[in-house]
Amino acid sequence: DTAVSQTPKYLVTQMGNDKSIKCEQNLGHDTMYWYKQDSKKFLKIMFSYNNKELIINETVPNRFSPKSPDKAHLNLHINSLELGDSAVYFCASSGTSTAETYNEQFFGPGTRLTVL
Amino acid sequence: GNSVTQMEGPVTLSEEAFLTINCTYTATGYPSLFWYVQYPGEGLQLLLKATKADDKGSNKGFEATYRKETTSFHLEKGSVQVSDSAVYFCALSDQGTDDKIIFGKGTRLHILP
Repeated sequence: DTAVSQTPKYLVTQMGNDKSIKCEQNLGHDTMYWYKQDSKKFLKIMFSYNNKELIINETVPNRFSPKSPDKAHLNLHINSLELGDSAVYFCASSGTSTAETYNEQFFGPGTRLTVL
Repeated sequence: GNSVTQMEGPVTLSEEAFLTINCTYTATGYPSLFWYVQYPGEGLQLLLKATKADDKGSNKGFEATYRKETTSFHLEKGSVQVSDSAVYFCALSDQGTDDKIIFGKGTRLHILP
C-alpha cells in the first residue's frame, strides 16, 4: 500500500541519452511535484502539477519535461542528459489544503540518477 | 522573497543528549512552518508542523514552536537516540504568495551510541 512510488530507484546512463522517471500516488491527491536533491542534500523544487495542469515551473533547462497523464501520475522526461543532472529526484504529492493538513507533502523514495 | 535558513551540519551528539537545530525564516505573508526528516536512503517525511504564531508542533519526542517575534522555528528533542540519525529540513509554505514549500539546506544529525 505504497503511498507515493517512483521507478526506477536507480538509473545509470551515459551523457546524451534520454531517460524517464515515473511517479504514481495512490493517496487521491490533486497536486504532484518533482524535486531535485544534489549531493549536498540541497532540495529544490522543479515542477508542480495540480489536476494535470502545470502550476509551478522553476528555472530548469527545457531538457526536462514533466508529463501528467492523470492526476495520480507525474512523469519526468529528461533529454540529452548531462553530468550535472546527476542527483536524486524526488516525487511528492499533496492533497486539498485544510487548516490541519495545509500543504503537507508526501514524498516518494527517490530515484538516484547517475550520468557517466 | 521567502527563505529558510537553518544551521549547517553535521551535528554529532551522544545518545540521550539534548538536541537543538536552529531555523529562521523570511516570509512576506503568514507562512506555515514544517520540519521534515530524511532517513538514509529514503524520501522526506513530515515530522511536525505549525500553522500560526505560538503554535507548537510535536512528534516522536521532537518539538518546535512558531515564534513570529524572532521568525524562528527551532527543532528540539530532550534525549536523542541513535535512530534519530538523519537529515532534518526546516521548511515554510506561504499561502499568501505561491503556495510552494521552500526548504532549508538540511542539517545532518549523527547520534553516537
